[in-house]
Amino acid sequence: GAVVSQHPSWVICKSGTSVKIECRSLDFQATTMFWYRQFPKQSLMLMATSNEGSKATYEQGVEKDKFLINHASLTLSTLTVTSAHPEDSSFYICSAREGGVTDTQYFGPGTRLTVL
Amino acid sequence: GESVGLHLPTLSVQEGDNSIINCAYSNSASDYFIWYKQESGKGPQFIIDIRSNMDKRQGQRVTVLLNKTVKHLSLQIAATQPGDSAVYFCAENPRGYIPTFGRGTSLIVHP
Repeated sequence: GAVVSQHPSWVICKSGTSVKIECRSLDFQATTMFWYRQFPKQSLMLMATSNEGSKATYEQGVEKDKFLINHASLTLSTLTVTSAHPEDSSFYICSAREGGVTDTQYFGPGTRLTVL
Repeated sequence: GESVGLHLPTLSVQEGDNSIINCAYSNSASDYFIWYKQESGKGPQFIIDIRSNMDKRQGQRVTVLLNKTVKHLSLQIAATQPGDSAVYFCAENPRGYIPTFGRGTSLIVHP
């Protein structure tokens, strides 16, 4: 089946630093990738949708200058949390869709970010 | 507003029993539904999906039922095993097929 990886699986950083999270589709080309955020015991919250080669579309309330998304190739999307603060600590999950809008999304294993 | 919700936040069952997890959706325009399983500290894992032109779909030990009349979706797990313990989310695709996730139900399987 389709596999999506994320790196790193966890990261601890100091307040004010920036952190980059990578999302890769390993065995398929992802025309669209999605970034979600999940707090403990809560559901997934969609942050943004990115299509290869174009700017990401952010959901309402998500700061695009805070959460930089780059989808430079059909197998890689990155999320950079800039000037991270403790309130940015969360579980970040990406997903990837191979082709058309009816294709299933496959999720990565998630990245646990802790900002001290 | 439009939403996807779950009736039971926690479901406890005995190993070997059948489990039923329910989900209500409110967007009548949704025509594609997915069930995901999320184990602690991991990303959601696709279980099964169903389109609105069907009312039942079966997989390995899992069955999804869709009742469009009352906008209700359920996931049935046969012969529940300890490895089935996880949070289960239903999702609907109301906007450009980007899933909107429900609150989630925690399934606890007792040996």
